Amino acid sequence: AQTVTQSQPEMSVQEAETVTLSCTYDTSENNYYLFWYKQPPSRQMILVIRQEAYKQQNATENRFSVNFQKAAKSFSLKISDSQLGDTAMYFCAFRTDSNYQLIWGAGTKLIIKP
Amino acid sequence: NAGVTQTPKFQVLKTGQSMTLQCAQDMNHNSMYWYRQDPGMGLRLIYYSASEGTTDKGEVPNGYNVSRLNKREFSLRLESAAPSQTSVYFCASSEFTWNTEAFFGQGTRLTVV
Repeated sequence: AQTVTQSQPEMSVQEAETVTLSCTYDTSENNYYLFWYKQPPSRQMILVIRQEAYKQQNATENRFSVNFQKAAKSFSLKISDSQLGDTAMYFCAFRTDSNYQLIWGAGTKLIIKP
Repeated sequence: NAGVTQTPKFQVLKTGQSMTLQCAQDMNHNSMYWYRQDPGMGLRLIYYSASEGTTDKGEVPNGYNVSRLNKREFSLRLESAAPSQTSVYFCASSEFTWNTEAFFGQGTRLTVV
């Protein structure tokens, strides 16, 4: 079965600090896509960053970057210089080439404190 | 550019009542999806429509039906609501099912009492 595990139900850091959210996944397939989505209190689901499994270079999007370890099936999200607006639920998800369905983790609640 | 629009945003139903959740996208996407989100869990796929005229079951289809009315609209119907269907429902769309990015609506919070 394909699964996503986010082991940190909740995290909190001070504004301007760096925080890393962990995600591990399980699949027997070789080609897949990994995503981090942000869900602020408004409920809107927003794509933060994505990574193609065949790319060795870690994806970066402004203050957001990933540490993709394919052999370990790990896909962590690093948020640098955290801001109050980063407070949200963060979901890790992946999709394989053979299955259109996004498989989601349970989420990590991130609180940025002033 | 509205993106994905869902209506209503909130709804309370009594057990056994029926209702339809509406979803429309203005991005000319081919694929549309309905998810539910329950506390402590990620999103779970209810139904999807790979393209206009097709619909298929996802992970948790029981108790739901869908209609892909046209390319823009994809509705989700609860024929006889049950308390287990209390959840937040999200509609999403993507250009194709294999595309890497899905765009989400703002969700509908449904409570069945």
